[in-house]
Amino acid sequence: SQQGEEDPQALSIQEGENATMNCSYKTSINNLQWYRQNSGRGLVHLILIRSNEREKHSGRLRVTLDTSKKSSSLLITASRAADTASYFCATEGSSASKIIFGSGTRLSIRP
Amino acid sequence: DAGVIQSPRHEVTEMGQEVTLRCKPISGHNSLFWYRQTMMRGLELLIYFNNNVPIDDSGMPEDRFSAKMPNASFSTLKIQPSEPRDSAVYFCASSLRAANTGELFFGEGSRLTVL
Repeated sequence: SQQGEEDPQALSIQEGENATMNCSYKTSINNLQWYRQNSGRGLVHLILIRSNEREKHSGRLRVTLDTSKKSSSLLITASRAADTASYFCATEGSSASKIIFGSGTRLSIRP
Repeated sequence: DAGVIQSPRHEVTEMGQEVTLRCKPISGHNSLFWYRQTMMRGLELLIYFNNNVPIDDSGMPEDRFSAKMPNASFSTLKIQPSEPRDSAVYFCASSLRAANTGELFFGEGSRLTVL
Protein backbone atom coordinates (compact mmCIF):
# COMPACT_ATOMS: atom_id res chain seq x y z
CA SER A 1 0.00 0.00 0.00
CA GLN A 2 1.15 3.52 -0.65
CA GLN A 3 1.87 5.95 2.14
CA GLY A 4 1.85 9.15 0.14
CA GLU A 5 -0.68 10.58 -2.22
CA GLU A 6 0.24 13.41 -4.51
CA ASP A 7 -1.70 16.05 -6.27
CA PRO A 8 -2.16 17.03 -8.89
CA GLN A 9 -1.69 13.78 -10.81
CA ALA A 10 -0.64 15.82 -13.83
CA LEU A 11 0.43 19.42 -14.26
CA SER A 12 1.15 21.35 -17.44
CA ILE A 13 2.65 24.83 -17.25
CA GLN A 14 4.47 27.33 -19.43
CA GLU A 15 8.22 27.50 -19.34
CA GLY A 16 9.33 30.09 -16.82
CA GLU A 17 6.34 29.59 -14.52
CA ASN A 18 6.56 28.01 -11.09
CA ALA A 19 5.32 24.46 -10.48
CA THR A 20 3.91 23.31 -7.15
CA MET A 21 3.26 19.68 -6.26
CA ASN A 22 1.74 18.44 -3.04
CA CYS A 23 2.13 15.23 -1.07
CA SER A 24 0.02 13.95 1.81
CA TYR A 25 0.85 10.98 3.98
CA LYS A 26 -0.80 8.99 6.74
CA THR A 27 1.56 7.97 9.52
CA SER A 28 4.35 9.68 11.47
CA ILE A 29 7.61 9.97 9.58
CA ASN A 30 11.35 10.21 10.10
CA ASN A 31 11.88 12.12 6.89
CA LEU A 32 10.31 12.86 3.54
CA GLN A 33 12.14 12.80 0.24
CA TRP A 34 11.37 13.99 -3.27
CA TYR A 35 12.51 12.15 -6.39
CA ARG A 36 12.33 12.79 -10.08
CA GLN A 37 11.88 10.20 -12.83
CA ASN A 38 12.43 10.84 -16.51
CA SER A 39 10.53 8.58 -18.87
CA GLY A 40 12.05 5.10 -19.02
CA ARG A 41 14.69 5.86 -16.39
CA GLY A 42 15.32 5.19 -12.73
CA LEU A 43 14.40 7.66 -10.02
CA VAL A 44 16.82 10.38 -9.00
CA HIS A 45 16.90 11.86 -5.50
CA LEU A 46 16.22 15.61 -5.32
CA ILE A 47 15.94 16.62 -1.69
CA LEU A 48 15.35 15.20 1.80
CA ILE A 49 13.60 17.03 4.62
CA ARG A 50 13.64 15.67 8.16
CA SER A 51 10.60 15.61 10.41
CA ASN A 52 11.99 18.42 12.57
CA GLU A 53 12.53 20.72 9.57
CA ARG A 54 9.88 22.95 8.04
CA GLU A 55 11.52 24.19 4.86
CA LYS A 56 14.49 23.35 2.71
CA HIS A 57 15.98 24.83 -0.45
CA SER A 58 18.19 23.40 -3.15
CA GLY A 59 18.79 25.54 -6.22
CA ARG A 60 15.39 26.15 -7.85
CA LEU A 61 13.70 23.66 -5.52
CA ARG A 62 11.89 24.56 -2.33
CA VAL A 63 10.34 21.91 -0.11
CA THR A 64 8.07 22.50 2.84
CA LEU A 65 6.90 20.03 5.45
CA ASP A 66 3.91 20.38 7.78
CA THR A 67 3.89 17.39 10.13
CA SER A 68 0.68 18.56 11.83
CA LYS A 69 -1.14 18.30 8.50
CA LYS A 70 0.97 15.36 7.31
CA SER A 71 1.74 17.13 4.07
CA SER A 72 4.64 18.41 2.01
CA SER A 73 5.00 20.55 -1.08
CA LEU A 74 7.66 20.79 -3.76
CA LEU A 75 8.03 24.09 -5.57
CA ILE A 76 10.12 24.35 -8.73
CA THR A 77 10.75 27.96 -9.64
CA ALA A 78 11.41 29.33 -13.12
CA SER A 79 10.60 26.02 -14.78
CA ARG A 80 12.52 24.80 -17.81
CA ALA A 81 11.65 22.29 -20.53
CA ALA A 82 14.19 19.92 -18.97
CA ASP A 83 12.09 19.80 -15.78
CA THR A 84 9.50 17.71 -17.65
CA ALA A 85 9.35 14.46 -15.66
CA SER A 86 7.38 12.63 -12.98
CA TYR A 87 7.95 13.71 -9.41
CA PHE A 88 7.44 11.44 -6.40
CA CYS A 89 7.43 11.99 -2.69
CA ALA A 90 8.70 9.19 -0.47
CA THR A 91 8.27 8.80 3.26
CA GLU A 92 10.34 6.90 5.77
CA GLY A 93 8.25 5.96 8.78
CA SER A 94 9.46 6.75 12.27
CA SER A 95 9.06 3.14 13.36
CA ALA A 96 10.59 1.43 10.35
CA SER A 97 13.26 2.10 7.77
CA LYS A 98 11.17 1.24 4.77
CA ILE A 99 10.71 4.00 2.24
CA ILE A 100 7.30 4.22 0.61
CA PHE A 101 6.57 6.21 -2.54
CA GLY A 102 3.54 8.25 -3.45
CA SER A 103 1.63 8.04 -6.68
CA GLY A 104 3.56 10.82 -8.40
CA THR A 105 2.84 13.98 -10.35
CA ARG A 106 3.50 14.14 -14.09
CA LEU A 107 4.90 17.57 -14.88
CA SER A 108 4.97 18.89 -18.43
CA ILE A 109 6.66 22.17 -19.28
CA ARG A 110 5.40 23.82 -22.46
CA PRO A 111 8.01 25.81 -24.39
CA ASP B 1 31.24 5.30 -9.49
CA ALA B 2 29.16 3.11 -11.80
CA GLY B 3 25.97 3.51 -9.80
CA VAL B 4 23.47 0.74 -9.17
CA ILE B 5 23.64 -1.83 -11.94
CA GLN B 6 20.66 -3.96 -12.87
CA SER B 7 20.39 -6.77 -15.36
CA PRO B 8 18.77 -7.63 -17.62
CA ARG B 9 17.40 -4.27 -18.78
CA HIS B 10 14.63 -5.99 -20.70
CA GLU B 11 13.25 -9.49 -20.47
CA VAL B 12 10.40 -11.09 -22.37
CA THR B 13 9.37 -14.52 -21.20
CA GLU B 14 6.45 -16.89 -21.34
CA MET B 15 4.09 -17.63 -18.52
CA GLY B 16 5.41 -20.33 -16.25
CA GLN B 17 9.07 -19.60 -16.85
CA GLU B 18 11.49 -18.65 -14.09
CA VAL B 19 12.77 -15.09 -14.09
CA THR B 20 15.86 -13.89 -12.24
CA LEU B 21 16.63 -10.20 -11.94
CA ARG B 22 20.02 -9.07 -10.69
CA CYS B 23 21.31 -6.03 -8.87
CA LYS B 24 24.75 -4.76 -7.96
CA PRO B 25 24.46 -1.95 -5.40
CA ILE B 26 26.87 0.93 -5.02
CA SER B 27 30.00 -0.17 -3.20
CA GLY B 28 29.86 0.71 0.49
CA HIS B 29 26.09 1.02 0.66
CA ASN B 30 24.51 -1.01 3.45
CA SER B 31 20.85 -1.09 2.41
CA LEU B 32 19.18 -2.45 -0.69
CA PHE B 33 15.57 -2.09 -1.81
CA TRP B 34 13.56 -3.83 -4.53
CA TYR B 35 10.58 -1.93 -5.99
CA ARG B 36 8.07 -2.76 -8.71
CA GLN B 37 6.49 -0.06 -10.87
CA THR B 38 3.29 -0.38 -12.89
CA MET B 39 0.84 2.16 -14.23
CA MET B 40 -1.95 0.75 -12.10
CA ARG B 41 -0.17 0.36 -8.77
CA GLY B 42 2.68 2.86 -8.99
CA LEU B 43 5.91 2.12 -7.12
CA GLU B 44 5.54 -0.74 -4.67
CA LEU B 45 8.21 -1.73 -2.17
CA LEU B 46 8.74 -5.47 -2.39
CA ILE B 47 11.55 -6.10 0.08
CA TYR B 48 14.52 -4.39 1.64
CA PHE B 49 17.78 -5.54 3.19
CA ASN B 50 20.04 -3.96 5.77
CA ASN B 51 23.60 -5.32 5.90
CA ASN B 52 22.52 -8.20 3.62
CA VAL B 53 19.72 -9.27 5.99
CA PRO B 54 16.08 -9.11 4.80
CA ILE B 55 14.27 -6.72 7.11
CA ASP B 56 10.80 -6.46 5.64
CA ASP B 57 9.39 -8.63 2.85
CA SER B 58 5.74 -7.81 3.49
CA GLY B 59 5.49 -6.29 0.02
CA MET B 60 6.42 -9.49 -1.78
CA PRO B 61 3.16 -10.35 -3.52
CA GLU B 62 3.24 -14.13 -3.35
CA ASP B 63 5.40 -17.13 -2.60
CA ARG B 64 6.33 -17.12 -6.26
CA PHE B 65 8.60 -14.19 -5.45
CA SER B 66 11.87 -14.58 -3.57
CA ALA B 67 14.86 -12.33 -3.01
CA LYS B 68 18.36 -12.99 -1.77
CA MET B 69 21.40 -10.97 -0.91
CA PRO B 70 24.28 -13.41 -0.49
CA ASN B 71 26.83 -10.63 -0.05
CA ALA B 72 27.08 -6.85 0.05
CA SER B 73 27.64 -6.52 -3.68
CA PHE B 74 24.88 -8.66 -5.17
CA SER B 75 21.16 -9.30 -4.89
CA THR B 76 18.64 -11.29 -6.90
CA LEU B 77 14.88 -11.18 -7.25
CA LYS B 78 13.39 -14.40 -8.56
CA ILE B 79 9.90 -15.09 -9.85
CA GLN B 80 8.97 -18.74 -10.27
CA PRO B 81 6.66 -19.43 -12.02
CA SER B 82 6.07 -16.10 -13.75
CA GLU B 83 2.59 -14.87 -14.69
CA PRO B 84 1.42 -12.11 -17.07
CA ARG B 85 0.40 -9.92 -14.10
CA ASP B 86 4.05 -9.84 -13.04
CA SER B 87 4.80 -7.65 -16.06
CA ALA B 88 6.31 -4.43 -14.69
CA VAL B 89 9.52 -2.49 -14.31
CA TYR B 90 11.53 -3.77 -11.35
CA PHE B 91 13.89 -1.32 -9.70
CA CYS B 92 16.73 -1.94 -7.32
CA ALA B 93 17.97 0.90 -5.13
CA SER B 94 20.80 1.10 -2.64
CA SER B 95 21.53 3.48 0.19
CA LEU B 96 24.14 4.30 2.79
CA ARG B 97 21.97 4.54 5.81
CA ALA B 98 23.09 6.27 8.96
CA ALA B 99 20.64 6.85 11.79
CA ASN B 100 17.90 5.29 9.66
CA THR B 101 18.05 7.92 6.97
CA GLY B 102 19.63 8.32 3.58
CA GLU B 103 18.76 8.90 -0.02
CA LEU B 104 18.13 6.03 -2.40
CA PHE B 105 20.19 5.54 -5.55
CA PHE B 106 18.20 3.73 -8.21
CA GLY B 107 19.27 1.50 -11.04
CA GLU B 108 17.78 1.95 -14.50
CA GLY B 109 15.34 -0.90 -13.90
CA SER B 110 14.54 -4.25 -15.47
CA ARG B 111 11.48 -4.20 -17.70
CA LEU B 112 9.77 -7.58 -17.51
CA THR B 113 7.11 -8.73 -19.94
CA VAL B 114 5.44 -12.06 -19.28
CA LEU B 115 3.39 -13.34 -22.21
